Amino acid sequence: ETGVTQSPTHLIKTRGQQVTLRCSSQSGHNTVSWYQQALGQGPQFIFQYYREEENGRGNFPPRFSGLQFPNYSSELNVNALELDDSALYLCASSKTSGSYNEQFFGPGTRLTVL
Amino acid sequence: TQLLEQSPQFLSIQEGENLTVYCNSSSVFSSLQWYRQEPGEGPVLLVTVVTGGEVKKLKRLTFQFGDARKDSSLHITAAQPGDTGLYLCAGETGGTSYGKLTFGQGTILTVHP
Repeated sequence: ETGVTQSPTHLIKTRGQQVTLRCSSQSGHNTVSWYQQALGQGPQFIFQYYREEENGRGNFPPRFSGLQFPNYSSELNVNALELDDSALYLCASSKTSGSYNEQFFGPGTRLTVL
Repeated sequence: TQLLEQSPQFLSIQEGENLTVYCNSSSVFSSLQWYRQEPGEGPVLLVTVVTGGEVKKLKRLTFQFGDARKDSSLHITAAQPGDTGLYLCAGETGGTSYGKLTFGQGTILTVHP
């Protein structure tokens, strides 16, 4: 149990729709990272938020956007959904300090795009 | 683009056997983390290694970070059915990529009773 929660657990959308996924970080953590995990693959980094600002982005198009709130919780928004967006979306929280960044993952949101 | 190559991709063994999973890259990592993931759940952090040559033990699991910090291994002694799962290595390069984890494709381990 990492203390990182995500909602919803599962979601079914149709192509072209928009979706918002939510994440509550572990107590004491100020950084949230989002990852996309396709079936049978390792997670791919989408972006990271630190102190309500985007702090690094992976190779994902602008229709993937996010927010971080003053309580360090976060949202991932995806516009104009495509079939290939079907995946497990993982949120990880961490405390940015020191020379490395240990990340603790939530259970994920399974998104299916039809 | 930093790539982490994990091998083997699949491993099916009997209870009591030993196994090693490898994680290799041409990039130098400031830290490397190992995770275990079960179906429908998020990855669970097992260990973080940061120093070249470092060895960490977690019960029957032994983790090693290569001297050049480009590779790592996970060795499980006397595997048990409860060890079944997806094992992932993830590296962080630091600098402008601080906090961005690059994952390997994972090793699916099945331990038969």
